[in-house]
Amino acid sequence: DAGVIQSPRHEVTEMGQEVTLRCKPISGHDYLFWYRQTMMRGLELLIYFNNNVPIDDSGMPEDRFSAKMPNASFSTLKIQPSEPRDSAVYFCASSSSGPVETQYFGPGTRLLVL
Amino acid sequence: RKEVEQDPGPFNVPEGATVAFNCTYSNSASQSFFWYRQDCRKEPKLLMSVYSSGNEDGRFTAQLNRASQYISLLIRDSKLSDSATYLCVVNFNDYKLSFGAGTTVTVRA
Repeated sequence: DAGVIQSPRHEVTEMGQEVTLRCKPISGHDYLFWYRQTMMRGLELLIYFNNNVPIDDSGMPEDRFSAKMPNASFSTLKIQPSEPRDSAVYFCASSSSGPVETQYFGPGTRLLVL
Repeated sequence: RKEVEQDPGPFNVPEGATVAFNCTYSNSASQSFFWYRQDCRKEPKLLMSVYSSGNEDGRFTAQLNRASQYISLLIRDSKLSDSATYLCVVNFNDYKLSFGAGTTVTVRA
């Protein structure tokens, strides 16, 4: 059974460009989470969805960040315009029940903004 | 003050040794507790949940002290494959998991 799938795995872009990260959760999971991990701040929850509906986006750093989940099998995290401080590893995770249960993480997208 | 704090280490131990480390959390209303493991350049994965009475999973033992608001993880008979970063995770409410920055363990031959 496939786990959480993320693409691209690596992204290098220049400041000011738009970046779109993609995630396919595990089939049947109704919760989807976007996290960002940096050395300085560790792993931070950005936003999460339940049944494709955004529930809490309080972790989204600013208006340059947006996330969508048009259907149960696909979500995007977009950064526009990107800045060097956005450089991080972005993880998508999904779970089959509330977040207190196990969250299955994707392999992450390593983003470098020059 | 951070919600979850961990000693970053690194803890460098020889194979077969016992290593233990703690994590403290700030919210006394925290409900659930976990340890996740993250290998270098990989995604975090659930290692084990932490129950109030303490629990073991093979060579791993987790303890919870609600009065002092800390969680511990002990690894016995450590293996080279135990080298990783261990993330302390706390659930404060219905949906949010708060991750510590991690404790790095390196097991040497």
